Amino acid sequence: EVQLLESGGGLVQPGGSLRLSCTASGVTGYGVTFRNYAMSWVRQAPGKGLEWVSSLSGSGGDTYYADSVKGRFTISRDNSNNMLYLQMDSLRVEDTAVYYCAKPLVVTAIVEAFDVWGQGTMVTVSS
Amino acid sequence: DIQMTQSPSSLSASVGDRVTITCRASQGISNSLAWYQQKPGKAPKLLLYTTSRLHSGVPSRFSGSGSGTDYTLTISSLQPEDFATYYCQQYYGTPQTFGPGTTVEIK
Repeated sequence: EVQLLESGGGLVQPGGSLRLSCTASGVTGYGVTFRNYAMSWVRQAPGKGLEWVSSLSGSGGDTYYADSVKGRFTISRDNSNNMLYLQMDSLRVEDTAVYYCAKPLVVTAIVEAFDVWGQGTMVTVSS
Repeated sequence: DIQMTQSPSSLSASVGDRVTITCRASQGISNSLAWYQQKPGKAPKLLLYTTSRLHSGVPSRFSGSGSGTDYTLTISSLQPEDFATYYCQQYYGTPQTFGPGTTVEIK
């Protein structure tokens, strides 16, 4: 069973940077490994709904971003260590949210339902 | 981007009630629709995908239907553990987008 665990959240001032990490476990089986999985980040501002942020292909060669974070956030992965990252620069107050990493139901799909979610990590952007 | 709306935004219901939540897309999404349940402080959980396919481990009292732009989630007999917020998500167009949520509260 695949499990995801995020870390790296915290309090940062506007204009600052933060790097989120997501550790995947249980991702090997039936000939599938972490490098086969497209992965995504989804966020949820306090009291608000869900917003897709970014996705990354299994190889890491194809990246996708929401317009709201394009040019400021960078998604990446380390397939050797089953890790997903989100580098967040030029942070704004409106980036305050719980950030979830999520796995697609169809493992290679970039645009897909998410069947596994981490527990989330809180990012607060405030002066 | 494809915009998703949900109705109602909240509802009050009793244990045993039949509950229906509607999700509407701003354009046809060819049944590429998922439903999630989220409880306070927890991550969303996938309930249904491709409009009506029940995710593994999800009770059969949950069902989905719809086509084109209009979709519904039905809970046939509401249980105490079903009080939560429900979100729809389209994954037909890029970017994938979520509805604003429907909160099911205890009457």
